[in-house]
Amino acid sequence: QVQLQQRGAGLWKPSETLSLTCALYGGSFSGYWWTWIRQPPGKALEWIGEINHTGRTNYNRSLRSRASISLDRSKNQLSLNLNSVTAADTAFYYCARGSGSSLVSPLDYWGQGTLVTVSS
Amino acid sequence: QSVLTQPPSASGTPGQRVTISCSGSSSNIGRSTVNWYQQLPGTAPKLLIYSNNQRPSGVPDRFSGSKSGTSASLAISGLQSEDEADYHCAAWDDSLSAYVFGTGTKVTVL
Repeated sequence: QVQLQQRGAGLWKPSETLSLTCALYGGSFSGYWWTWIRQPPGKALEWIGEINHTGRTNYNRSLRSRASISLDRSKNQLSLNLNSVTAADTAFYYCARGSGSSLVSPLDYWGQGTLVTVSS
Repeated sequence: QSVLTQPPSASGTPGQRVTISCSGSSSNIGRSTVNWYQQLPGTAPKLLIYSNNQRPSGVPDRFSGSKSGTSASLAISGLQSEDEADYHCAAWDDSLSAYVFGTGTKVTVL
């Protein structure tokens, strides 16, 4: 059974770099796309970007200049770095799996989410 | 920021049928398949409907999806108390080159 496990809530200061990880259990990165999505409290979901097992990435244009998604196969982890954060980046962040790119495939497994708060 | 529009709320009594709309454009729903996600209070979203009208294994057949032109709909028949949740539509947008979500609809069971 595939499980995506995310760490607990965190607090970052404005201008810092946000770093999140998502650990994969019960499966392999191969053959799938791995996605980050965020949701400000009480608001809509927003797609951040995705990466496949070869390292190919796609990003939301609105976040492309600040976001970086990577895979660490030795740790079986998916990572997200988001630099120069502001209060507008405060949100629940989710990792998820797709059987193909989000262009053609839905997100069938989700992590439990991590609350990120950006405040001085 | 959402390019897919949903009604903010919908409600019904147990056993009733509830329908949620998702309105988009020719750059998203008009040329891509639609997926629906259910988000129970305090939890992560869960895939409910994919490819417009397909149910993943384990999803009750009370849930059904449809698409016509640049709009899609999710129907819940035989509404149950455990269906109280937020529902989000989603599709790929060619103009934005991004996966876009709807504004979300909160379903309340009266």
